[in-house]
Amino acid sequence: EVQLVESGGGLVQPGRSLKLSCAASGFTFSNYYMAWVRQAPTKGLEWVASITNSGGSTYYRDSVKGRFTISRDNAKSTLYLQMDSLRSEDTATYYCTRDMSYWGQGVMVTVSS
Amino acid sequence: DVVLTQTPVSLLISLGGQASISCRSSQSLVHSNGNTYLHWYLQKPGQSPQLLIYQVSNRFSGIPDRFSGSGSGTDFTLKISRVEPEDLGVYYCLQRTHNPWTFGGGTKLELK
Repeated sequence: EVQLVESGGGLVQPGRSLKLSCAASGFTFSNYYMAWVRQAPTKGLEWVASITNSGGSTYYRDSVKGRFTISRDNAKSTLYLQMDSLRSEDTATYYCTRDMSYWGQGVMVTVSS
Repeated sequence: DVVLTQTPVSLLISLGGQASISCRSSQSLVHSNGNTYLHWYLQKPGQSPQLLIYQVSNRFSGIPDRFSGSGSGTDFTLKISRVEPEDLGVYYCLQRTHNPWTFGGGTKLELK
């Protein structure tokens, strides 16, 4: 069974950093494209970043480019999202997805002073 | 960026009825490789989104045949026949043909 478990969320002040993790199991992690998608409170879904199976290529939405870094450790079957210079508009539930097919339960990130 | 416009925004359906949701794109979703990367998701209350349909018309694993997708180019439709209580929630379309990937605004399916 495919399982994706996010962690690392919480309350953080504007301008600070946070690193999300997503532990994957139930499939061969290194074979799949991974992505982060977020959902602000009461809003719709928004793709944030993607990474190829090898980690050789990464893609970001413009609003997070230069502030967020997606990465993966295939040996640990774990996906990461390093979020720097956080803004209030980054407040959302962040979902880890396996090629946009399987989704984790999400982790909440609140950026507020 | 590609804009996906979903209509209606909300839908009141009786149990056992049929629902139809439209997703219109601001540009063609046919990829240079010939595939069309338009997918449909359902987000039930308090849950993560779940994939229903991928590449326009292919049902994902475990999705009942009450769900069907169709369309081409810029116009796509999700149909749900014989609506059941577990079908309620917000439906989203997603395009992965063009970067950045974009979602439609969502359609909330509620019981009449």
